[in-house]
Amino acid sequence: AQKITQTQPGMFVQEKEAVTLDCTYDTSDQSYGLFWYKQPSSGEMIFLIYQGSYDEQNATEGRYSLNFQKARKSANLVISASQLGDSAMYFCAMREGQGGGSYIPTFGRGTSLIVHP
Amino acid sequence: GAGVSQSPRYKVAKRGQDVALRCDPISGHVSLFWYQQALGQGPEFLTYFQNEAQLDKSGLPSDRFFAERPEGSVSTLKIQRTQQEDSAVYLCASSLESMAQGTMNTEAFFGQGTRLTVV
Repeated sequence: AQKITQTQPGMFVQEKEAVTLDCTYDTSDQSYGLFWYKQPSSGEMIFLIYQGSYDEQNATEGRYSLNFQKARKSANLVISASQLGDSAMYFCAMREGQGGGSYIPTFGRGTSLIVHP
Repeated sequence: GAGVSQSPRYKVAKRGQDVALRCDPISGHVSLFWYQQALGQGPEFLTYFQNEAQLDKSGLPSDRFFAERPEGSVSTLKIQRTQQEDSAVYLCASSLESMAQGTMNTEAFFGQGTRLTVV
């Protein structure tokens, strides 16, 4: 079974608008971490934001925020005020704790985001 | 340099040829990962090192794949007798802490990858 599911192969957004990229995850661990990475055409994976399973507040980093709904096992990335430079692949990843899960970060298949001027 | 460095950036190999991909992690980083990323897919885990110890190689697709990190810094991923299905981007990442013992929010820093094309 897929541990990380990203159901949107591609998303389009108008410049300056907000966009939500979906991510659901599957784990039986109580302790886990969720990450979002951006991969521009240059190929490098750039860390954006982290959410821990015990964090009570949604993570925010500048224009990035994470809509964490633990009961639904979802960790959607919200990008506000989209910019042309946000056009890239976006990957959701999870790292599980020591309760039998894998501590190696596991990635989803990604969502391609295109920002239109 | 300050980041993770991978070389070569691009490699074209004839089917059956052996290749070696190099990763220079961030200095002092304990953890080092190799991932394989096929076109249009997410990174798939290959192997993990904690210093010089290869703690997990469960993702290596066959015994043609071999990785080492003999002094706990630079790592090499070697693929013997390359086949067309080995064509992919090979990503290396490093992290300051041990994945097994570190904090959950330990971030992995990635290199730009090596794009391998087997013809």
